[in-house]
Amino acid sequence: EVQLLESGGGLVQPGGSLRLSCAASGFTFSNYAMSWVRQAPGKGLEWVSVINAGGENTYYADSVKGRFTISRDNSKNSLYLQLNSLRAEDTALYYCAKDLGVVVPIDAFDIWGQGTMVTVSS
Amino acid sequence: QSALTQPPSASGSPGQSVTISCTGTSSDVGGYYYVSWYQQHPGKAPKLMIYEVNKRPSGVPDRFSGSMSGNTASLTVSGLQAEDEADFYCSSSAGSSVVFGGGTKLTVL
Repeated sequence: EVQLLESGGGLVQPGGSLRLSCAASGFTFSNYAMSWVRQAPGKGLEWVSVINAGGENTYYADSVKGRFTISRDNSKNSLYLQLNSLRAEDTALYYCAKDLGVVVPIDAFDIWGQGTMVTVSS
Repeated sequence: QSALTQPPSASGSPGQSVTISCTGTSSDVGGYYYVSWYQQHPGKAPKLMIYEVNKRPSGVPDRFSGSMSGNTASLTVSGLQAEDEADFYCSSSAGSSVVFGGGTKLTVL
């Protein structure tokens, strides 16, 4: 079964850090670009970051650039998101999502995890 | 990286058709053929319904269709069913980023 399972969320104070993980199974992880997408409570979807299949190229939304870092370990079928300098507005459910395109991303996400909640509050 | 514009709500009776629009710019929707649509039921993860403007993933009913004209993409749901009631989001490639629409709540009357 194709599956993504996020972990690492929690309550953190403003200015703090967290590392999110996403464990992939059921598909050849190293063939696909992966993204993080977040959803603030009661709000819409917001794309956060993408990493290409090989891990060489990364891109970020302006709202997180310089604070968040995406990475992957293809030997462990795992995706990560390091969140630093967290702000209240980063409070959201963070999803990892698989791109539908094989090797070449098409910016369509066909597999989503269940999400991990990040709450930034003092 | 401005959000794409969607109507906040749409509705229709069972069996009817409804179309949801998604307006962007030439830097996103109008500049790429990478428009996708997602359905999200409350408390659930989004589900890909349409990709590359008008392609359906395996398992998505052909009642769902996509189109695009200029900087505006559209999702049409034909033969509305009660289970179609959900939030719908469009997204588009914007070069080195992806931009989502604000979402449309579809109500089946």
